[in-house]
Amino acid sequence: GESVGLHLPTLSVQEGDNSIINCAYSNSASDYFIWYKQESGKGPQFIIDIRSNMDKRQGQRVTVLLNKTVKHLSLQIAATQPGDSAVYFCAERAGGTSYGKLTFGQGTILTVHP
Amino acid sequence: ETGVTQTPRHLVMGMTNKKSLKCEQHLGHNAMYWYKQSAKKPLELMFVYSLEERVENNSVPSRFSPECPNSSHLFLHLHTLQPEDSALYLCASSPAASGRTGELFFGEGSRLTVL
Repeated sequence: GESVGLHLPTLSVQEGDNSIINCAYSNSASDYFIWYKQESGKGPQFIIDIRSNMDKRQGQRVTVLLNKTVKHLSLQIAATQPGDSAVYFCAERAGGTSYGKLTFGQGTILTVHP
Repeated sequence: ETGVTQTPRHLVMGMTNKKSLKCEQHLGHNAMYWYKQSAKKPLELMFVYSLEERVENNSVPSRFSPECPNSSHLFLHLHTLQPEDSALYLCASSPAASGRTGELFFGEGSRLTVL
């Protein structure tokens, strides 16, 4: 079925370490993927996105990797900071859909220790 | 500030009450959305409006009634809710109904508690 799920519900890291948050998806027709960050008491905020015709995309301190062979998506955060502590969601959009009809994963709680 | 404002931020209501959630976007977007966020569940899409026309209704119970009077405003009217409807209700907008990307701009949510 169509689902987006996360391997690990929680991740704890030390400040300065690199973080990797993983996501599995099952809909091979998905053509677009996006990562959101949600801090306590706030709505989700866009981090980075990637289209299915790419396998890697870099932003500021973040990198998204897409492996279509195994239907796996990951978010890498370099030099993680306490301000990165939040819940991270991956989301996918099925190919052929317009507007933002996204299917979200459950989320991973990232905790960064000083 | 995301450009999407939701009010009220917190709402407590009884099962027989009628209340409304309001969302306003200042981004010039053409599509607006209601999502429900419950504990330990993924975000659930409820409704989508594109150019003020409802284009998506994900089997949401009729006790939730959306309204989109113009492209900047979205309401969610609530009546005879159940305790299991307690959740964070998120409003979002996106640049175009048939945008090239799926990026959504979220508000901070309305935390609803049904007693």
